[in-house]
Amino acid sequence: KAGVTQTPRYLIKTRGQQVTLSCSPISGHRSVSWYQQTPGQGLQFLFEYFSETQRNKGNFPGRFSGRQFSNSRSEMNVSTLELGDSALYLCASSPRLAGNTGELFFGEGSRLTVL
Amino acid sequence: AQSVTQLDSQVPVFEEAPVELRCNYSSSVSVYLFWYVQYPNQGLQLLLKYLSGSTLVKGINGFEAEFNKSQTSFHLRKPSVHISDTAEYFCAVSEGGGSNYKLTFGKGTLLTVNP
Repeated sequence: KAGVTQTPRYLIKTRGQQVTLSCSPISGHRSVSWYQQTPGQGLQFLFEYFSETQRNKGNFPGRFSGRQFSNSRSEMNVSTLELGDSALYLCASSPRLAGNTGELFFGEGSRLTVL
Repeated sequence: AQSVTQLDSQVPVFEEAPVELRCNYSSSVSVYLFWYVQYPNQGLQLLLKYLSGSTLVKGINGFEAEFNKSQTSFHLRKPSVHISDTAEYFCAVSEGGGSNYKLTFGKGTLLTVNP
């Protein structure tokens, strides 16, 4: 069974640009969560999508947004990039709402560098 | 609000020695507790979880953890480590499940196993 796939794995952007990251969950998983990982702040929850609806949201500004498609694939978008957005963005999937199973299956992440 | 403290940022040990990685949490309600491992350039993988029941939880790769409600701790242990256990370990907590579920992660403990 294929794991969680994130694309692209690495990307470099400049301040002010926007970026879109993609996540394909494990087949049959309907929940997708996004986390930001930085050396200073560690792992921080961005949002969770289930059945194309955002079910939960972390404390990030509105520049961070996401969506989920009918096939459960998810994208997250960051607009007006800032230097502080440089991070590893991790996607995680779960067969049901993450809170119902307690377990997340993570992808390898998309490493974003903002110059 | 829930929070997680991993008391050691780095733990160096020799191969075949025992190891304990410490984790304390803060929450006013019942919690779910997790340990995840992250190998270099990879996403996170679940080691073990406590949702309810027995306070001693066994996970993959010979790891175990004990939930101590009175001390609000969930320390991770392994009686004999291998070089391949070198990785970063994250403790995480969630205040129950449902649609408001989100994992709060500790800052991580880098375990380095030396020959």
